[in-house]
Amino acid sequence: AQTVTQSQPEMSVQEAETVTLSCTYDTSESDYYLFWYKQPPSRQMILVIRQEAYKQQNATENRFSVNFQKAAKSFSLKISDSQLGDAAMYFCAYRSGLTTSGTYKYIFGTGTRLKVLA
Amino acid sequence: DAMVIQNPRYQVTQFGKPVTLSCSQTLNHNVMYWYQQKSSQAPKLLFHYYDKDFNNEADTPDNFQSRRPNTSFCFLDIRSPGLGDAAMYLCATSRERQGGIPQHFGDGTRLSIL
Repeated sequence: AQTVTQSQPEMSVQEAETVTLSCTYDTSESDYYLFWYKQPPSRQMILVIRQEAYKQQNATENRFSVNFQKAAKSFSLKISDSQLGDAAMYFCAYRSGLTTSGTYKYIFGTGTRLKVLA
Repeated sequence: DAMVIQNPRYQVTQFGKPVTLSCSQTLNHNVMYWYQQKSSQAPKLLFHYYDKDFNNEADTPDNFQSRRPNTSFCFLDIRSPGLGDAAMYLCATSRERQGGIPQHFGDGTRLSIL
């Protein structure tokens, strides 16, 4: 069975600094997607960045980038030039390839709460 | 403009009294998801619709049902809510060709059970 592990329940970063949130996963599949979601307090979940497993190039979205290490099954999120608005819960998530039942398997990690210090 | 709208924002129901949560979308996405998120926990997928095809997660209790009468609307029915069903319920959508990844979430409905 696939698993997603976020080993850092909470992280802090100084405003304008860089922070890296870690995520590891376990799967026997070769076709899957990984993504990071941001959930600010009392606000809706936002898809931050996605990575297709077949792509070697790391995904980047403005100040957000990932370090995808497929062999190590690691998918960390780097936030550059941290801003106060980046404070949120960040979830790492996995979507499997198409299963034999014709559906996908979605798994979320337990989340990392990021605090941004002014 | 809100693209995934969940109503109501807060719902209170009595133990065992059926309740329905609603979700609508203006994105014309063909996939809609329902997640349950308990306090300080990760969202847990309950089920999703791929067009009209209903896909139930294996560990979703039978107490939870869903309906999707058209592309824009999706409902979550809890037939006999228990205290353990108190949670935030999130609706999300995606376009299949983008990998079936939940892309847009609503604000959620927080369900309380008395």
